[in-house]
This record gives sequence, structure tokens and C-alpha cells, in this order.
Amino acid sequence: GAGVSQSPRYKVAKRGQDVALRCDPISGHVSLFWYQQALGQGPEFLTYFQNEAQLDKSGLPSDRFFAERPEGSVSTLKIQRTQQEDSAVYLCASSLDRGPHEQYFGPGTRLTVT
Amino acid sequence: KNEVEQSPQNLTAQEGEFITINCSYSVGISALHWLQQHPGGGIVSLFMLSSGKKKHGRLIATINIQEKHSSLHITASHPRDSAVYICAVSRGSQGNLIFGKGTKLSVKP
Repeated sequence: GAGVSQSPRYKVAKRGQDVALRCDPISGHVSLFWYQQALGQGPEFLTYFQNEAQLDKSGLPSDRFFAERPEGSVSTLKIQRTQQEDSAVYLCASSLDRGPHEQYFGPGTRLTVT
Repeated sequence: KNEVEQSPQNLTAQEGEFITINCSYSVGISALHWLQQHPGGGIVSLFMLSSGKKKHGRLIATINIQEKHSSLHITASHPRDSAVYICAVSRGSQGNLIFGKGTKLSVKP
């Protein structure tokens, strides 16, 4: 069956540009997570959706970061006015239900801001 | 101090060796996860456990809740086991993960 997919896989943006990163979770998965992984580091939590509701956005590093999941399936992470420190791999994960369950990760989007 | 600490950071082993990676955490958790990440690749969940021990093939994960410690063991290691192994914990009712920095394992033939 189809796993979690993300697009684009690679994105190069000039500083100041806006970018949009897409995540297609496994069909029927209730929970969706976004994580940011800097080079050589472990991922860090950005935000969490339960269906279409964004229940936790405490990890978003600034108000330039915005995420949505309007119909409870596909999610988009948008970064406005990108900065060099935004360069990282952005990972999306989904899980079947709310609460602590096994998470299925997408391949990530590698964002490079020049 | 990070909430999830792993050791060692880097590990080189000869094919066939028994490998142990350790994880300590300092917060209350609802579950602990062991994950595998290949270079340039995505993350794959190996285990999720909240007590005791789990085994899958050559991989064994244990957790001691009282000591806030978990170990991942690989028996009869093989070069294809070379990857970064990440310990992560979930807290509360949401399930979002707090990650360790990972252990980079290289198994030489």
C-alpha cells in the first residue's frame, strides 16, 4: 500500500522567497506531524494535526511558518520569507489514531535557502 | 541537558558482532520508539514500547521504566545494518516525538 509521500523532495529557494511543502499521509490516518531535521541532528517537532484540527503548533520556530490540513488528509507546511536558518529536511509523519502510536514517516523535503 | 540522550554517538563494528545502543530520558513518557534512518533515506519505525522487551528478527529492544533507560540490541550484525538509529519518546496524549540525536552505526564486512 502507499506510504506517506512528500513533495517536492528537494527545494532550493532564494532568501526571502515563500515555499510550500506538501505531505500526503497514509489514507485514513488521523494524526499528522511535521518535524524539522537540521544537518547531523535529530528531528524536532513542529506541529501536530488531529484530522483537520491543528492541536499543537508549539514547535513552529516563528510566525513565518504556517501549516494547514483543511480536509483532514493532505497537509501543507508554508514558510514565508525564507531565511538561511530554515535550511533543513522537513519530515512528515502520520499515525493511525491519536495518542502514542507507531508513526510512518515520509521521505522528507530537503530545503536549501541560498 | 537534552530530554533524550543516546550513546554512543558513533559506533563501528565488525560483521557478526553483538551491538548495543543506549537511550536515557529525563521526562515522563507514554511510549519509547526506536527508529532507523539510512543515509539520504526516510525514517522507519523499528519498535514502540512502553514496558518490557520486544524482538523482531535480529533486533531486540528493552525498556526499564523505573531507570528511564532503554537499549537496542542487534545480534549477528551485518553491513546492511549500517544506519543511524534514533531513540525518541512520546509524552502525553498527542504522541508527538522528542528525539535523541541518533547513533551512527557502521558495520564493516
